[in-house]
Amino acid sequence: QLQLQESGPGLVKPSETLSLTCTVSGDSISRSLYYWAWIRQPPGKGLEWIGSIHYTGRTSDNPSLKSRVIMSVDTSKNQFSLKMSSVTAADTAVYYCAREQEDFYGSGTSYNLYFDYWGQGTLLTVSS
Amino acid sequence: SSELTQDPAVSVALGQTVRITCQGDTLGSYYASWYQQKPGQAPVLVVYGKNNRPSGISDRFSGSTSGNTASLTITGAQAEDEADYYCNSRDSSGDLVVFGGGTKVTVL
Repeated sequence: QLQLQESGPGLVKPSETLSLTCTVSGDSISRSLYYWAWIRQPPGKGLEWIGSIHYTGRTSDNPSLKSRVIMSVDTSKNQFSLKMSSVTAADTAVYYCAREQEDFYGSGTSYNLYFDYWGQGTLLTVSS
Repeated sequence: SSELTQDPAVSVALGQTVRITCQGDTLGSYYASWYQQKPGQAPVLVVYGKNNRPSGISDRFSGSTSGNTASLTITGAQAEDEADYYCNSRDSSGDLVVFGGGTKVTVL
């Protein structure tokens, strides 16, 4: 059974850089079918996609985060990571990592994207 | 702002049927996926694709699409179905991922 586990500092000061890691167990992160994603949820609010990374290093991220995001993958440790710079109180949220799957027609056109496995989430608070 | 629009809240009597909708221009090209989230827990995928359920998800949950509106239907709602439900899909560029704002389902 695939499992994902987020780890991080819990508390970060404003203007600093947050770093989170997601450890994947039960399958290899290097399977080409999947991307690996970060999703966050501010207290009392909805879900926000941060970005996704393939084991090859290919990434896609949410432009609303104004290029503050760097994602990386460490296949030797079966982990992927998120760094977000210049954090503010607005970045306070529960951060989830998840496995992303996408279905394609034979022509290569995508028709469905979903997150089928999630970590339990880690609360990250930005405060001085 | 989200490109997927959901009603903030809906209620259903125990044992009755409720439909949760997700509206967005991209849903003419992409299927929506649906997640259930209970307080203090991570979201759980309940429906994806045309109408697929992951292993272990009750057949009370079903999905459908009509035009630019996707729907999640809970048939015979149970107390344990009380939760927030989110839809997601790709955005209009096809490059990014978007979530709806979520619908709180209350089982009366």
